[in-house]
Amino acid sequence: TQLLEQSPQFLSIQEGENLTVYCNSSSVFSSLQWYRQEPGEGPVLLVTVVTGGEVKKLKRLTFQFGDARKDSSLHITAAQPGDTGLYLCAGGIGDDMRFGAGTRLTVKP
Amino acid sequence: IAGITQAPTSQILAAGRRMTLRCTQDMRHNAMYWYRQDLGLGLRLIHYSNTAGTTGKGEVPDGYSVSRANTDDFPLTLASAVPSQTSVYFCASSQNRGGYNEQFFGPGTRLTVL
Repeated sequence: TQLLEQSPQFLSIQEGENLTVYCNSSSVFSSLQWYRQEPGEGPVLLVTVVTGGEVKKLKRLTFQFGDARKDSSLHITAAQPGDTGLYLCAGGIGDDMRFGAGTRLTVKP
Repeated sequence: IAGITQAPTSQILAAGRRMTLRCTQDMRHNAMYWYRQDLGLGLRLIHYSNTAGTTGKGEVPDGYSVSRANTDDFPLTLASAVPSQTSVYFCASSQNRGGYNEQFFGPGTRLTVL
């Protein structure tokens, strides 16, 4: 079983729709990171959140860290085809980062 | 500015053969990592290095070894490859180890063991 469960595994939507993807665990994390990965490339960091309840915005993307620091969500407003990719969350435990399996998002024009 | 380079891009290998995956960074980062990425399992840490001259085991270290002779290079060796080591391998680096540091990833090596 994964330490971090991401849902949904796959999501296909039309351009302009809103969506939320989730990252859940029973463990408490010191930090939570979100990465985006495109085919044939390595993941690229989008954001790091460190405080329970913290909300960060990056243009149309809103990231929230749960109050208990066990879960996180990523909300995308008015999705665009350029948002297509694999979204990975990673939780900090000690000096290690543990990754979820990811949500594969496809945004159709 | 290259960031992190990995070689080869892809490789098909016979079971039982020895293979070294190469990783070089030009950011002078202290920490480096090797992950494998498998469908449905995400990225799993194989080995890491906090700084040149030190290495440590990650979540799935068996069958792999690493060395860190200098800051820039962090090769991963499969002494005797097995089919279960078929995966996409990513090297990464960060200024320091720890969850507050951004990890920069290479483009990956796709390895198939037959």
